[in-house]
Amino acid sequence: AQSVTQLDSQVPVFEEAPVELRCNYSSSVSVYLFWYVQYPNQGLQLLLKYLSGSTLVKGINGFEAEFNKSQTSFHLRKPSVHISDTAEYFCAVSTDSGYALNFGKGTSLLVTP
Amino acid sequence: EAGVAQSPRYKIIEKRQSVAFWCNPISGHATLYWYQQILGQGPKLLIQFQNNGVVDDSQLPKDRFSAERLKGVDSTLKIQPAKLEDSAVYLCASSPTTGAGNTIYFGEGSWLTVV
Repeated sequence: AQSVTQLDSQVPVFEEAPVELRCNYSSSVSVYLFWYVQYPNQGLQLLLKYLSGSTLVKGINGFEAEFNKSQTSFHLRKPSVHISDTAEYFCAVSTDSGYALNFGKGTSLLVTP
Repeated sequence: EAGVAQSPRYKIIEKRQSVAFWCNPISGHATLYWYQQILGQGPKLLIQFQNNGVVDDSQLPKDRFSAERLKGVDSTLKIQPAKLEDSAVYLCASSPTTGAGNTIYFGEGSWLTVV
């Protein structure tokens, strides 16, 4: 079975600073990787996903992530964060044998002025 | 395009009572999911439907939880009797098909508090 570990439960950062949210996965088969964002009292919204091809994936709101098969990682990055990026971020994985998403526990990003 | 609709948004019940949540997926989406999100944790899959058939319900506590998707469109998730540990957000989601690379679209969730 596949699983995801988000290494940081909380990440505080100042506005306009860069940020990296870390995600590692475990799977014995090829994976599809996703990052979702959840704003307070809202559902989850897809930021980006990796299916195949280029290992650098660009998503919405200026976020990008890099798939690293040797490190089994899919870290999310943004070069300059805004106050509005404050939210919970979830990394998720699926495979061809288990179609539904398996989520990590989430990383709370707190952006302060 | 309308998103995934869920109701009610908020519900408070006493333990041992019953509750039902309703979900209307995005039009044309064949696959429907119910996830449970406990505070401070990531969503956990409860059940996955493809049209009106169950694909995966391995993590559904079947002694108290039930779900159905009649006619392959709307779905209802029921809890009876509720326990304190069922306090969570219940997220309904849908995707066009069951393929692993599909984007899954989530509703805003139904918040359940069991007291």
